[in-house]
Amino acid sequence: DQQVKQNSPSLSVQEGRISILNCDYTNSMFDYFLWYKKYPAEGPTFLISISSIKDKNEDGRFTVFLNKSAKHLSLHIVPSQPGDSAVYFCAASSTQGGSEKLVFGKGTKLTVNP
Amino acid sequence: EPEVTQTPSHQVTQMGQEVILRCVPISNHLYFYWYRQILGQKVEFLVSFYNNEISEKSEIFDDQFSVERPDGSNFTLKIRSTKLEDSAMYFCASRLDTGETQYFGPGTRLLVL
Repeated sequence: DQQVKQNSPSLSVQEGRISILNCDYTNSMFDYFLWYKKYPAEGPTFLISISSIKDKNEDGRFTVFLNKSAKHLSLHIVPSQPGDSAVYFCAASSTQGGSEKLVFGKGTKLTVNP
Repeated sequence: EPEVTQTPSHQVTQMGQEVILRCVPISNHLYFYWYRQILGQKVEFLVSFYNNEISEKSEIFDDQFSVERPDGSNFTLKIRSTKLEDSAMYFCASRLDTGETQYFGPGTRLLVL
């Protein structure tokens, strides 16, 4: 039951270029979306989020875009830096009652080459 | 900056033994969670806890699992009789309020032999 899908297991980009990580979801009840960055043997670190009432949220080099009709979101990192190399997880939740548990994708391993 | 802490960072145990994983959520947060990640798989929800009771649990969270908030700061996950398939990274998370971000701890790596 893959409610949140990250179809690219890995992505490699050159330093200074744009990284685009994609995520699709199937559950229409999801209304809050987050991106987490994770290094091996560490916990997920919150990066950026977006509510379903918006279609874009920007924080420094990171921008998340949400296309509700397509049930698709993407994370743009511009410019990419070698320190951005990590696994990026997309997560979704429903804030309409309930526990607001997060449903995660499988992650995309980003490698930024110097 | 406040953060979620977890102890121990690593735990090795024999199958059938009880383990307790400990978490200290961010101090003013009201909602608490446990997730786990089996090696090579996605992070998956185990249980959520609010107002001193479980608000939701997954199918994984069977009778062998329990959670407790014994005092105002700690949040524990107990596995009564560990199985080999319980080997995973266990993450604690907390959030302040509805619609707020969940912040994760560094995790406890549990290895059941």
